[in-house]
Amino acid sequence: DTAVSQTPKYLVTQMGNDKSIKCEQNLGHDTMYWYKQDSKKFLKIMFSYNNKELIINETVPNRFSPKSPDKAHLNLHINSLELGDSAVYFCASSPGVTLNNEQFFGPGTRLTVL
Amino acid sequence: AQKVTQAQTEISVVEKEDVTLDCVYETRDTTYYLFWYKQPPSGELVFLIRRNSFDEQNEISGRYSWNFQKSTSSFNFTITASQVVDSAVYFCAYRQGGSEKLVFGKGTKLTVNP
Repeated sequence: DTAVSQTPKYLVTQMGNDKSIKCEQNLGHDTMYWYKQDSKKFLKIMFSYNNKELIINETVPNRFSPKSPDKAHLNLHINSLELGDSAVYFCASSPGVTLNNEQFFGPGTRLTVL
Repeated sequence: AQKVTQAQTEISVVEKEDVTLDCVYETRDTTYYLFWYKQPPSGELVFLIRRNSFDEQNEISGRYSWNFQKSTSSFNFTITASQVVDSAVYFCAYRQGGSEKLVFGKGTKLTVNP
């Protein structure tokens, strides 16, 4: 069984479009995250939710809006896509900060904006 | 702010050689956690190890070993008798105690040639 899953795996779209990436975890974790990995492989956190509440928002343009309908899902919606949004986006989950555990990552979604 | 430095951008070795990947961190925190993740060519992020700031014991897992030294703020990773399947980008990461935010180094690309 997949622990952290993301859809789609690849996403190619035109500049200016709006798109969403979905993430689901079946680990029973309380905390979920979105990371962006740029073309140089640099990984940076974007958002974190704990039990559906936003706890980290790392200076990300407001074109990016995470939504957590329940603690097993954290979706990422991106408005007015720009060329610079092209990257691999990783979802991750962890039991929560009080348990000091590692984060488990999804397979990534490669977004290409043309 | 915390910082993680992986000075080696790329390393190339021949199979069966031992290789050490360096990780140096900067922090003023007393409680923190250090991690290593592997990103093979297929792109997923695989958790390898977590160490907390109170536990300086080195760890060995098969061909992998980790050397955590607070005195030099380093958390180095050694692969013994490297194999082609070890070829990947390896990331060192830091998390402050009580925080959900993982700060990644820029990664070291390891290529193991047959």
